[in-house]
Amino acid sequence: DTAVSQTPKYLVTQMGNDKSIKCEQNLGHDTMYWYKQDSKKFLKIMFSYNNKELIINETVPNRFSPKSPDKAHLNLHINSLELGDSAVYFCASSQSGTQSPLHFGNGTRLTVT
Amino acid sequence: EDQVTQSPEALRLQEGESSSLNCSYTVSGLRGLFWYRQDPGKGPEFLFTLYSAGEEKEKERLKATLTKKESFLHITAPKPEDSATYLCAPSNFGNEKLTFGTGTRLTIIP
Repeated sequence: DTAVSQTPKYLVTQMGNDKSIKCEQNLGHDTMYWYKQDSKKFLKIMFSYNNKELIINETVPNRFSPKSPDKAHLNLHINSLELGDSAVYFCASSQSGTQSPLHFGNGTRLTVT
Repeated sequence: EDQVTQSPEALRLQEGESSSLNCSYTVSGLRGLFWYRQDPGKGPEFLFTLYSAGEEKEKERLKATLTKKESFLHITAPKPEDSATYLCAPSNFGNEKLTFGTGTRLTIIP
């Protein structure tokens, strides 16, 4: 049983294109996140949603737009892709107010050429 | 701003050779400090949460400890399957986000 699943696992695209990454969790958590891991393996938060409401929005270009249709899903749409967007994007989930750990998906490796 | 530094960046050990990984942190009001293990091509996998100075948690060959400024992950008699990148992440009161260190890449040589 996959707890946090992301699609696609790999995404190769050209500069200027628009792409989306999807995430779903079946843990019943109310909070979901997008993290970006760069080539140096540094994992940095981008966004967080709690019950479909945006609660964390770090300094991320507005070409990145998260959308949460319900508390089990969090998608990431990226417009006008740039070379610097190449990274691994991780979705995660947790239950707010319980000090529970984050549960991560296995990532989407985005390569922009 | 919360800061986290992990050392060493990389560590190679012979199988059975014990050692420790360090995580130094600065956060305003620690809610908890999390340790994760990350294998290549995978997402981080939760290991431990520590909440207060003096607390210790153990799991198989791993033991995590916490002081007011640092956390250590002690690895006793490691095996090759312990090879991974180990990440620490403190969390502060007031928000739900974790601030990750850059990790220690551990390699256990048979």
